[in-house]
Amino acid sequence: AQKVTQAQTGISVVEKEDVTLDCVYETRDTTYYLFWYKQPPSGELVFLIRRNSFDEQNEISGRYSWNFQKSTSSFNFTITASQVVDSAVYFCALASGFQKLVFGTGTRLLVSP
Amino acid sequence: AAGVIQSPRHLIKEKRETATLKCYPIPRHDTVYWYQQGPGQDPQFLISFYEKMQSDKGSIPDRFSAQQFSDYHSELNMSSLELGDSALYFCASSWRDFGYEQYFGPGTRLTVT
Repeated sequence: AQKVTQAQTGISVVEKEDVTLDCVYETRDTTYYLFWYKQPPSGELVFLIRRNSFDEQNEISGRYSWNFQKSTSSFNFTITASQVVDSAVYFCALASGFQKLVFGTGTRLLVSP
Repeated sequence: AAGVIQSPRHLIKEKRETATLKCYPIPRHDTVYWYQQGPGQDPQFLISFYEKMQSDKGSIPDRFSAQQFSDYHSELNMSSLELGDSALYFCASSWRDFGYEQYFGPGTRLTVT
């Protein structure tokens, strides 16, 4: 069975601080995909990134960066110089191919001015 | 760019009533997924369709049914509504030839009173 664990239920930071959201996954599949989604207070789910199991390169997109380590089954997400608009619930998710997404329980990030 | 469209955005029903949620995937996307997100919870997979055929099924109650039509739009039918069905219902779509990203619609917030 596939499982995603986000141990941090809530994180509170002050604007401009860096913050890392942790994600640990479990799967028996050799080919799988990892995702991060952002859910702002308005409720929609916003796709942030997809990573396949064969690509362990870290990725940076503006203030966002992701660290994928198969050895520790982790796919962590770092926001650099956080902003108030980053306040949201962030979900890490796992899928095998076109199968359903299995989500973690989410981490609620609050960025204060 | 076109996004996933869901209607209605908000729906209020009474116990034992029936509700129908509609989803219009991104053009050329061939797979549709339905997820249910209860208050403070992560999205849970209900059912998916590929090329109008059911491709996977999650913890969908027998009171719920869904289908995908010839124009690729999908409908989730919910009967004998219960208070516990109050949730945010997301539809997502993806395109097998383009990648594995599931793009989510804005969701339908169902309130059962």
